Amino acid sequence: EAGVAQSPRYKIIEKRQSVAFWCNPISGHATLYWYQQILGQGPKLLIQFQNNGVVDDSQLPKDRFSAERLKGVDSTLKIQPAKLEDSAVYLCASSPETSYEQYFGPGTRLTVT
Amino acid sequence: GDSVTQMEGPVTLSEEAFLTINCTYTATGYPSLFWYVQYPGEGLQLLLKATKADDKGSNKGFEATYRKETTSFHLEKGSVQVSDSAVYFCALSDRTALIFGKGTTLSVSS
Repeated sequence: EAGVAQSPRYKIIEKRQSVAFWCNPISGHATLYWYQQILGQGPKLLIQFQNNGVVDDSQLPKDRFSAERLKGVDSTLKIQPAKLEDSAVYLCASSPETSYEQYFGPGTRLTVT
Repeated sequence: GDSVTQMEGPVTLSEEAFLTINCTYTATGYPSLFWYVQYPGEGLQLLLKATKADDKGSNKGFEATYRKETTSFHLEKGSVQVSDSAVYFCALSDRTALIFGKGTTLSVSS
């Protein structure tokens, strides 16, 4: 079974530029999560989707971050404009609808200079 | 809100030593508890979980028991190996997304 795929794996941008990350969850998983992991900290939820609807985006900085999950499968997370403090690893995870277990992708490491 | 506190690292041990990584939680409901592991250069992997009080999760020689009375979920292993070197995260979930601790780095030397 293929795992959660993410791209790119690494990205370096200058502040005020925009960037987008892509996630392809495990086939059949209804729930998709985006987490932000700043160096030295645990992952923090940014947004949770159930199929193509948003369940929780209370911690998403909506003035600069946006996310969508078209057709309830792939998802993209965008940052525009980026700030220095956005430097982090962005993790995508998915889970079956009836399970608590989440499966994580390898992450995208973003460096904002 | 709900939160997880785990012991700060790094934890440095010799091979075959006993490991304990402390984790306590604060939650208003009855969460499920998890330990995730992140090996160097790899993504987060579920190590073990427990879904109700007094449950014991176990995997690869690691164990943790859900203690409601002390709100704890300490990770233990009787004999660590060099291959156990990684970052360990304690987490909880109350039917929503995971809430993680800050992580504990374990380094095992031969």
